[in-house]
Amino acid sequence: DQQVKQNSPSLSVQEGRISILNCDYTNSMFDYFLWYKKYPAEGPTFLISISSIKDKNEDGRFTVFLNKSAKHLSLHIVPSQPGDSAVYFCAAMGNAGNMLTFGGGTRLMVKP
Amino acid sequence: DGGITQSPKYLFRKEGQNVTLSCEQNLNHDAMYWYRQDPGQGLRLIYYSQIVNDFQKGDIAEGYSVSREKKESFPLTVTSAQKNPTAFYLCASSMAVNTGELFFGEGSRLTVL
Repeated sequence: DQQVKQNSPSLSVQEGRISILNCDYTNSMFDYFLWYKKYPAEGPTFLISISSIKDKNEDGRFTVFLNKSAKHLSLHIVPSQPGDSAVYFCAAMGNAGNMLTFGGGTRLMVKP
Repeated sequence: DGGITQSPKYLFRKEGQNVTLSCEQNLNHDAMYWYRQDPGQGLRLIYYSQIVNDFQKGDIAEGYSVSREKKESFPLTVTSAQKNPTAFYLCASSMAVNTGELFFGEGSRLTVL
């Protein structure tokens, strides 16, 4: 049973527009969420995180929104750039003893 | 430069052979992890280690073994008991278990012929 789901396997966006990547989770004990970015044949790199005490966290062009009641988070990239083309993984963790649980990833393609 | 080094980057193996993937970190992190990535799937945890000489099974440990004799090193052995070993393997580390942010190596792609 997947506790973290990214229902869109891929997303295509025009350069300069907004990219919105979505993530849903089922475990109500999750209280910390992260986004990772991964280029082909490389390891994922940390992008941005959010704690459950917040509903928004912003870092430059990247903003993560958390809706706890809906168990949903999203990553907004504005403006999107071709270099943002990568696979984005959502991850969640909860109480001590729980490891990070990853979603299946969304492949973002930003077209020039 | 501080980071995580995985080797080899690409590896081919015949069925029935064991193979060991290397992972070394110089970040002085206590916790280390092995994940497996399959096409269209998220990262699944194979094993993790919180401290030297200690390690725990993750979600998909069957057919794998690890050791943690040194803080810097966490090698993964893919044994012949692993039914579907062809995958991309990622090693990661963090300051401690459950600190959230993991630092990943560049990965090792294993192909069983």
